[in-house]
Amino acid sequence: EAGVVQSPRYKIIEKKQPVAFWCNPISGHNTLYWYRQNLGQGPELLIRYENEEAVDDSQLPKDRFSAERLKGVDSTLKIQPAELGDSAVYLCASSSRTAGTGYNEQFFGPGTRLTVL
Amino acid sequence: AQSVSQHNHHVILSEAASLELGCNYSYGGTVNLFWYVQYPGQHLQLLLKYFSGDPLVKGIKGFEAEFIKSKFSFNLRKPSVQWSDTAEYFCAVNAGYGGATNKLIFGTGTLLAVQP
Repeated sequence: EAGVVQSPRYKIIEKKQPVAFWCNPISGHNTLYWYRQNLGQGPELLIRYENEEAVDDSQLPKDRFSAERLKGVDSTLKIQPAELGDSAVYLCASSSRTAGTGYNEQFFGPGTRLTVL
Repeated sequence: AQSVSQHNHHVILSEAASLELGCNYSYGGTVNLFWYVQYPGQHLQLLLKYFSGDPLVKGIKGFEAEFIKSKFSFNLRKPSVQWSDTAEYFCAVNAGYGGATNKLIFGTGTLLAVQP
């Protein structure tokens, strides 16, 4: 089966410019995650969706970051305006929801490497 | 807040050497534990996981990890590494049994370089 797809793979922008990242999860996965991975660090969750609903966005810097998942499939993460400190790899992951079970394995996409100059 | 510590940031080994990567977490309740691997140029993928039962879990490619509850540890091991094991390894915890949060907390990662 196809994995999690992300685009673009690389993005270079100047500070104060807007940027958007796109994610297409694995077919049938209703849970979608956006993570940010800074250099030398592990991924950190920004937001988690269950279908169209953002159920955990406590780590999303809401003054400049926004996300949407229309129709509960694809998702877009936006930064406006970007700052130097936003340079990182932005990862998307998805998992399926199985009733009566615990954790569902998260499958990660290749990520978008953002460089803000 | 939950946290995960990986003490080795960079490890260099020769082929056939044994590997042990340390991982400690801070959470007193029930946890699910994971090791993820990221090979050069590839995406994160699951290496192994612990939910319950036998504390010694086996994963892909000959890796195993042991959950020691009293030490809050989940160290990754492999008896004999290969050049193809060169990658970055991340320990992660999902706190709260039942996947109520389904939220992974990752360590900072260990970069393993295996010399042929």
